[in-house]
Amino acid sequence: EDQVTQSPEALRLQEGESSSLNCSYTVSGLRGLFWYRQDPGKGPEFLFTLYSAGEEKEKERLKATLTKKESFLHITAPKPEDSATYLCAVQAHTGGFKTIFGAGTRLFVKA
Amino acid sequence: NAGVTQTPKFRILKIGQSMTLQCTQDMNHNYMYWYRQDPGMGLKLIYYSVGAGITDKGEVPNGYNVSRSTTEDFPLRLELAAPSQTSVYFCASAYENTEAFFGQGTRLTVV
Repeated sequence: EDQVTQSPEALRLQEGESSSLNCSYTVSGLRGLFWYRQDPGKGPEFLFTLYSAGEEKEKERLKATLTKKESFLHITAPKPEDSATYLCAVQAHTGGFKTIFGAGTRLFVKA
Repeated sequence: NAGVTQTPKFRILKIGQSMTLQCTQDMNHNYMYWYRQDPGMGLKLIYYSVGAGITDKGEVPNGYNVSRSTTEDFPLRLELAAPSQTSVYFCASAYENTEAFFGQGTRLTVV
């Protein structure tokens, strides 16, 4: 069964303390893996798409990487404004249109 | 450019009542989706559409209906509301099967 698991559920960091969020997935034929950011009371906002193992993408303090079994969202020197829930989603080639979301990691960055 | 607009933002329904959640997008996207998000859970796909006149069930379609008469609009109908439908509902759109753009959400409580 296709599945997406994100860890940890919550992460508390001090400003400037770098860390990584994990997204482990099981899917029959990965078409793409997406990272979104969601602020409280708002809809998810797209960050990155990764398509193949070894691919990396960066945006400001965020860097996403992909292997055949998992993806990492690395946060370098985070700031309080990076506090949000980060969602991972995978899309499969087979089974028609299907995007599976993980439950998310809630990130808190303290000044 | 408004993106994806959902109305209403909040609604309280009594058990057995019906309502329609409105969703419109101005990006000329062909794909549109309805998700629900429950606390601690990933987004679950309710219905999706790949173009005007075409809709299909997602993972959790029971108790809901949709229509897609235009490219822009994708309303979600709840018939005979039940407490299990208490959730936050998100509408999203995408160009083909790529990253999705989400609305701000509708927080629905059924009492």
